[in-house]
Amino acid sequence: DQQVKQNSPSLSVQEGRISILNCDYTNSMFDYFLWYKKYPAEGPTFLISISSIKDKNEDGRFTVFLNKSAKHLSLHIVPSQPGDSAVYFCAASTFSGGYNKLIFGAGTRLAVHP
Amino acid sequence: SAVISQKPSRDICQRGTSLTIQCQVDSQVTMMFWYRQQPGQSLTLIATANQGSEATYESGFVIDKFPISRPNLTFSTLTVSNMSPEDSSIYLCSVEWAADNEQFFGPGTRLTVL
Repeated sequence: DQQVKQNSPSLSVQEGRISILNCDYTNSMFDYFLWYKKYPAEGPTFLISISSIKDKNEDGRFTVFLNKSAKHLSLHIVPSQPGDSAVYFCAASTFSGGYNKLIFGAGTRLAVHP
Repeated sequence: SAVISQKPSRDICQRGTSLTIQCQVDSQVTMMFWYRQQPGQSLTLIATANQGSEATYESGFVIDKFPISRPNLTFSTLTVSNMSPEDSSIYLCSVEWAADNEQFFGPGTRLTVL
């Protein structure tokens, strides 16, 4: 049972344009959503998060939008840069057993080309 | 943020043997997590390690296969026991940080079992 889904395995965007990465979830009890970026041979790097009580969070070129009624969130990167080329993971957090448990989507590979 | 290191960074092992992966954090943390990323897959939580108590394992993972130690607030080990080729994965440790449910990840250990 995939609670967090990233239905696009890959995305190709031209440098300077907007990249939009999408994520859907099924569990309405998730209280935080996070985006991570992963380069080959490195661990995931935290990018940005959003609380379930908000619908938007912005940090520089990165904005995350949350639509709770649709159980959908998206990460917007604008303008996209070649250094943004990586695998992006969406994760959802729920408090269970005394700790915050993260459940990850399968990831979307973003390629930003000149 | 926390700086996390893992040893070894990669290894090639024979089936039937065991490998112990070390995770070192530069700050004292309460919760440490161990994840597995199988080829082309997402990150899956194996277990949560809280200092001074036994690790909590997720469904599908058992202590006999993945024993974990957490001797202090900055260190943990994960052992992959009696390995088979299906255990070939990237193994990552992470720590929970206070703000916004973030977890910070180590660089990972790439394990290949022949």
